[in-house]
Amino acid sequence: SQQGEEDPQALSIQEGENATMNCSYKTSINNLQWYRQNSGRGLVHLILIRSNEREKHSGRLRVTLDTSKKSSSLLITASRAADTASYFCATDAGGRLAFGKGNQVVVIP
Amino acid sequence: KAGVTQTPRYLIKTRGQQVTLSCSPISGHRSVSWYQQTPGQGLQFLFEYFSETQRNKGNFPGRFSGRQFSNSRSEMNVSTLELGDSALYLCASSLEAGPLHFGNGTRLTVT
Repeated sequence: SQQGEEDPQALSIQEGENATMNCSYKTSINNLQWYRQNSGRGLVHLILIRSNEREKHSGRLRVTLDTSKKSSSLLITASRAADTASYFCATDAGGRLAFGKGNQVVVIP
Repeated sequence: KAGVTQTPRYLIKTRGQQVTLSCSPISGHRSVSWYQQTPGQGLQFLFEYFSETQRNKGNFPGRFSGRQFSNSRSEMNVSTLELGDSALYLCASSLEAGPLHFGNGTRLTVT
């Protein structure tokens, strides 16, 4: 089954810097979603980009999707300490969401 | 609206026992999905229910089962617990084809 794979696995940045994470997948998708998880809690949906979209913005988040390369990136601009979390991409090919392993992002105040 | 509620929050069981986890979705959401999260395997899809019918199932043994009630509340059951079943079990609800709204999970420890 397809699964998103994020790269890099762990990222440590200073507050105010930008954080970029990449995700690759293997098969055709309907949409790709990004979620955030704070330690020991449930995932929170951040943004959804459909297969016919190339870029989407939501506040400080920017997501791109390249279906020809089967990859997506999530950019968090002007990071804050509260952005410290794990970030997951999830691909929807119909029927279920398949999640990647996640990126641990630490924002140092 | 109230979010997705999962009970209990923590659970400790012994190998061989069985366990039932409960999930109350967001009002109006008819789809409920269950995921198992472990450090080694990450998030793995267990099953999805929609209007009391199992719509999709992941690659888990038959010891893992679930059901959904007419009010969309869902339960999952794990029988004959194994040490490897220790995990965070996450429930998520959604509108048809919408993003998932997760609960905070049930942390199951099998000793």
